[in-house]
Formats: sequence, C-alpha cells, structure tokens
Amino acid sequence: AQKITQTQPGMFVQEKEAVTLDCTYDTSDPSYGLFWYKQPSSGEMIFLIYQGSYDQQNATEGRYSLNFQKARKSANLVISASQLGDSAMYFCAMRVDTDKLIFGTGTRLQVFP
Amino acid sequence: SQTIHQWPATLVQPVGSPLSLECTVEGTSNPNLYWYRQAAGRGLQLLFYSVGIGQISSEVPQNLSASRPQDRQFILSSKKLLLSDSGFYLCAWGSGRARGELFFGEGSRLTVL
Repeated sequence: AQKITQTQPGMFVQEKEAVTLDCTYDTSDPSYGLFWYKQPSSGEMIFLIYQGSYDQQNATEGRYSLNFQKARKSANLVISASQLGDSAMYFCAMRVDTDKLIFGTGTRLQVFP
Repeated sequence: SQTIHQWPATLVQPVGSPLSLECTVEGTSNPNLYWYRQAAGRGLQLLFYSVGIGQISSEVPQNLSASRPQDRQFILSSKKLLLSDSGFYLCAWGSGRARGELFFGEGSRLTVL
C-alpha cells in the first residue's frame, strides 16, 4: 500500500539554526514524486519543494533542501537558517497517480528567538 | 498567472442542513481539480477529484458529493450535514503534467453544530 509517514508531531528550533523534518514513504511504483508543503496558521497549503524518483540530485529551493535517500525510502526536508516565519505545519506528500497526492499527518514546527 | 479561490472561508451549519462549497480556478484550462478535507490536527484526506467536466471520482464513501459544472469550477455539496463533516476543506488544482504538484485554495472551515 502507498503511504506517507511523518513521525514527528512537533519540532522546535532556534532562529538561524537548521532543522530536519522526517518523512518516509512506501510505494511499489518505480516512478513517483515527493513533495513538501507548508501550512501556516492561515490554512493555505504552500508548495515548497519537489523530488522525482529518478532525480539524481537532491532538490533545493532557497533555504529548503530535500534529503532524498531512495534505498531507505526517506525524503526529509531540511530548512537552513530558520526564521520566525517558518513556524507552521509541514506536510510531506507523494504522487500516486498523475497529480493525485497522498499526505502525511504533518509536523508542527515552532521557531523560537 | 493561475489563481484558485474557494468560498465561503468560514461556515457554521446545523446538523441536517445542506452544504455548498465552491472553488474556481483562473488562468488555466482543463485543470485536474480536487477536494481534500483536513480534520483537526490531522493530514489531508482526498475526497474527490475530477479530470474534466462532469467527471467525478470519489475516494471515500461519505455524506458528501462533488460536481464540476464548468471546466474551472468545482463544487462540494451535501444534502444533510453530519457532525463528522466538520473540518477544513481545501480545493486544489493540478495541470496533470509530469511533476504533478497541486496548488491549493485558501480553504473553507466548516463547523457543524
């Protein structure tokens, strides 16, 4: 069965430090995509970063990078130089059909000064 | 550029009353459209998706229905709301292309009393 698992309900990080949010996935399809979304308190879902299963390099988007370990089926999000505005829920997701996504349960990140 | 809007943003309804949430997309044609629900403190559950006018696929059996009367309009409905229908409803669109990321509306918070 296809599944996304996020085992960290909450994380704390000090401003300007880096933080890693964990995500593991399960699929038997050789072709898949992995995504991270940010959900601030306003509720909207903001797309952050994408990693394709055939991509050779880890994806990066500004302060966000995705630590993709295919053999371990993990796709951890790394946020460098955390800012107070990074406080939000973060969801890992996997494409299971053409742009049909399944989501993990999320990790609440709190950045403190 | 593409935009997606959904309304109303907040809704408080009594048990047994009808529901209609509307979502529209601008700046793209023939998008794939989705309704997700997020229960308090949980991840997103896919409810319905549509690849074209009048084409609706349901992911879970429930008290809700969806319709797509126009290419860029997606409506979530219920004839009689249940307490368990309370939650945060998110509409999303995707292009159906390779990466498959989804772009979300602002969300509609439904409270059934």
